[in-house]
Parts: sequence; C-alpha cells; structure tokens
Amino acid sequence: TAGITQAPTSQILAAGRSMTLRCTQDMRHNAMYWYRQDLGLGLRLIHYSNTAGTTGKGEVPDGYSVSRANTDDFPLTLASAVPSQTSVYFCASSETSGDTDTQYFGPGTRLTVL
Amino acid sequence: GQNIDQPTEMTATEGAIVQINCTYQTSGFNGLFWYQQHAGEAPTFLSYNVLDGLEEKGRFSSFLSRSKGYSYLLLKELQMKDSASYLCAVMDSNYQLIWGAGTKLIIKP
Repeated sequence: TAGITQAPTSQILAAGRSMTLRCTQDMRHNAMYWYRQDLGLGLRLIHYSNTAGTTGKGEVPDGYSVSRANTDDFPLTLASAVPSQTSVYFCASSETSGDTDTQYFGPGTRLTVL
Repeated sequence: GQNIDQPTEMTATEGAIVQINCTYQTSGFNGLFWYQQHAGEAPTFLSYNVLDGLEEKGRFSSFLSRSKGYSYLLLKELQMKDSASYLCAVMDSNYQLIWGAGTKLIIKP
C-alpha cells in the first residue's frame, strides 16, 4: 500500500531557482494539504485543496503555488527559492475536509536553499 | 490569535506512565488530534477527540475538556519505541488544523 508518496526525498537548491515538490496519493482522497515543519514550530499549512480543481491558501502561502489537476496529484512549486524556505515539507491527504477526517502524511521532502 | 501549547520535552522510564498535556486557544473548535512523529519520519495519527472525556486505545488514551481548552495524551507501559515527538492539533472553525510545536518524549531504560 503506497498511500502518499513525495519526491524528491531531499534537495539542495540555489537561491533564486525554481523547484516543484511532487505529491501523489492512491487513496482517492478528496482533500490534500502542504505543510512545512521547522524546528521549534508546529506544522504550518501552506496551501490546501478540498477537491480536484480547487485550491486555497493556508497560513504561510507566500512564495509557493499549487495546482490540483486531478485527484491523485498535488504539486507544490517554489517560483524563486529563498533561504527562509529551507524546511521539511510534508504533503497530507484526507478523505474529505470535514472535522472527523484524519490526515495522512507522506514521508516528507527535506529542502535546503542556499 | 490561535495558540497551541505543549511542553517541549519530557523524559520517562521504560514501563512507566507519562501524561503529555496540551492547552489551546483557537477560533472555533471542531476536534482535537494527537499524532506521533518519530525523528525523520512523517506524523502518524494516534487519536481524535471532539466530545469531553477519555478515549482509550490500547496503551494510549486521550482526554479532552472543551470548557478548559485542555487535552492530554496518556501513554502506559512505556516502551523504548515510544520515544518520539507527540503533536497536538486542533481543527478550527475553518476546518484547518492548528498544530502545536510537539513534545519530544525521551524514554530511558
């Protein structure tokens, strides 16, 4: 059972370069999320999608964009990376965006921007 | 603003019991989640509480008091594999999860 996969596992990126973090789920979940996790802080929501074709901004959306062309894929793009975007990025999904729906997480992408 | 507070780190002994507290102030409340996260890994779901009281699931139990904005996670018969961070998260009125910074639990033999 794959669940949620993310790629790459880790990446070192020069400041100013663009990059797309990939996320794919095989659970046919409607809702998907992108979080960043930084030392000493809780997970922070970057963008989310309640269903294919729709996206929304989370707590820290600046510098990031997403698309949701189909149910399975939810890529996160950094158009011009900055060092403050150095973080661990987690993709998650849930059956719906309702209150009881558990979010399931991918293994994460560790990104370093130099 | 929205705030989730939990201790940064706790230490306990193998075989013992530990209680990890979480207090919250959020705009609305649609449930509280506990996740476990081993170092370098993804968070994994442990429990969900939306009504006051205790939910028991094997060695792990979670308690909620909505009037006090308070929850705890109780881990019994601690094992070395329980060494991990424990994340408290509250679903707010917009159905978005607000996360605490996590409690790192260190288990000693």
